[in-house]
Amino acid sequence: EIVLTQSPDTLALSPGERATLSCRASQTVSSNFLAWYQQKPGQAPRLLIYGASSRATGIPDRFSGSGSGTDFTLTIARLEPEDSAVYYCQQYARSFRTFGQGTKVEIK
Amino acid sequence: QVQLVQSGAEVRKPGASVKVSCKASGYTFISHAIHWVRQAPGQRLEWMGWINAGTGNTEYSQKFQDRVTFTRDTSASTAYMELSNLRSEDTALYFCASGLAFDLWGQGTMVTVS
Repeated sequence: EIVLTQSPDTLALSPGERATLSCRASQTVSSNFLAWYQQKPGQAPRLLIYGASSRATGIPDRFSGSGSGTDFTLTIARLEPEDSAVYYCQQYARSFRTFGQGTKVEIK
Repeated sequence: QVQLVQSGAEVRKPGASVKVSCKASGYTFISHAIHWVRQAPGQRLEWMGWINAGTGNTEYSQKFQDRVTFTRDTSASTAYMELSNLRSEDTALYFCASGLAFDLWGQGTMVTVS
């Protein structure tokens, strides 16, 4: 099982600031099969990034993903109030999928 | 419109079973797997397993292997998740999802065990 550890647990920033979220895997995520999701309270998660760096359909370009191997990053270039949510990374390199524990982004 | 629509909220007593449905529309049902993910209140997303909608082959997370069964009805484009021997810790929002990365999600079904 690939364990994903996200940091920080919580990030509190002001609108317009840059958010950097980290996801570290216990083993190499082959083919960079790493995705990022945004989840707001009471809603299903929304796919933001797949393949570590490709934006999903309709996702604003202020969201970007990077990284390879065991270290991955989600960057939100200019925070907007609607970006307040919990963000999860997920690996889909193995048929046994795993999620990180999530990073909560709060907008001051 | 491509979507997954799940059945409504359920309340069960400890020891009972629950069966949640996930109806697909707008795409070829048998061409994609359906995954099941749950989220206890205030907790992280937890992958439960998946079913190949075409072949019916399944894979279960070890945590749920003894209590969960995934099935599908191809004529109805619907997948099902049945969880047995329910306990209070199974109170959660249950999602179905599809895609290699999960680009399609159901709206979630709240299961309360009390």
